[in-house]
Amino acid sequence: AQKVTQAQTEISVVEKEDVTLDCVYETRDTTYYLFWYKQPPSGELVFLIRRNSFDEQNEISGRYSWNFQKSTSSFNFTITASQVVDSAVYFCALSYGTSYGKLTFGQGTILTVHP
Amino acid sequence: SAVISQKPSRDICQRGTSLTIQCQVDSQVTMMFWYRQQPGQSLTLIATANQGSEATYESGFVIDKFPISRPNLTFSTLTVSNMSPEDSSIYLCSVMTGLTDTQYFGPGTRLTVL
Repeated sequence: AQKVTQAQTEISVVEKEDVTLDCVYETRDTTYYLFWYKQPPSGELVFLIRRNSFDEQNEISGRYSWNFQKSTSSFNFTITASQVVDSAVYFCALSYGTSYGKLTFGQGTILTVHP
Repeated sequence: SAVISQKPSRDICQRGTSLTIQCQVDSQVTMMFWYRQQPGQSLTLIATANQGSEATYESGFVIDKFPISRPNLTFSTLTVSNMSPEDSSIYLCSVMTGLTDTQYFGPGTRLTVL
C-alpha cells in the first residue's frame, strides 16, 4: 500500500528565513510520480512540481527547490528567503495505479511566514 | 494546463438531501477524478470518473452514496446523496490531460451539511 508521511504538522518562520518541508513515501511500485501542491487560505490546490521515479535530479525554480532521494524515499521541498505569501498548507502526494493518476496525499504541513 | 471550473463553489444543505456538483474543463482530458477534503484534513480520492461507463470507486466509497457521471471528455458530476453532517467537506475534481501528465485540480466545492 502507498503511504506519504509529512511529519511536520506546522512550521512557523520569520520572513526571509529558509524553510524545508519534509516528505517521506512508501510504495512497492517501481514507476511512480511524486508531487507537491500548495493550498493557500483561499482553498484552491496549486500544482508546484511533479517528479517521476527515474529522475533523481534536484530541481530549482526561483525560490523553490526540491531534493528527491530514492535511497531514503524522500522528496523534500525547500523555500529560500520565505515570504508572507508563502503561507499555506503544502501537500506532498504519490501516484499509484496503472494510470499514475490516483494520488495518495500526505497530511500536509501548515507553513506560516511572519513579517 | 486545463482550466477547471466547479459549480456550486459552496453550499449549505440540510441533512437527508442530495447535492450534485459539476466539474467542467475547457479542453478534452483523459482522466477525471473526484477527491474529498474533510475539515482540517488531507485529500482522499473518492473515485475515477470514466467516460461513458461506471466510475471506479476507492475503498470506503460506494456508488449509492456518491454517484458519478461523465458523459463526455470535458464534464463530470458528483452527487453526494442522503447527506449527513459528516459529509461536510471540500469536494474537488481533478484532471489529467494525458496518461502521464500532471494532475490539476478544480477550485473545489465547499459543502456544509446542517
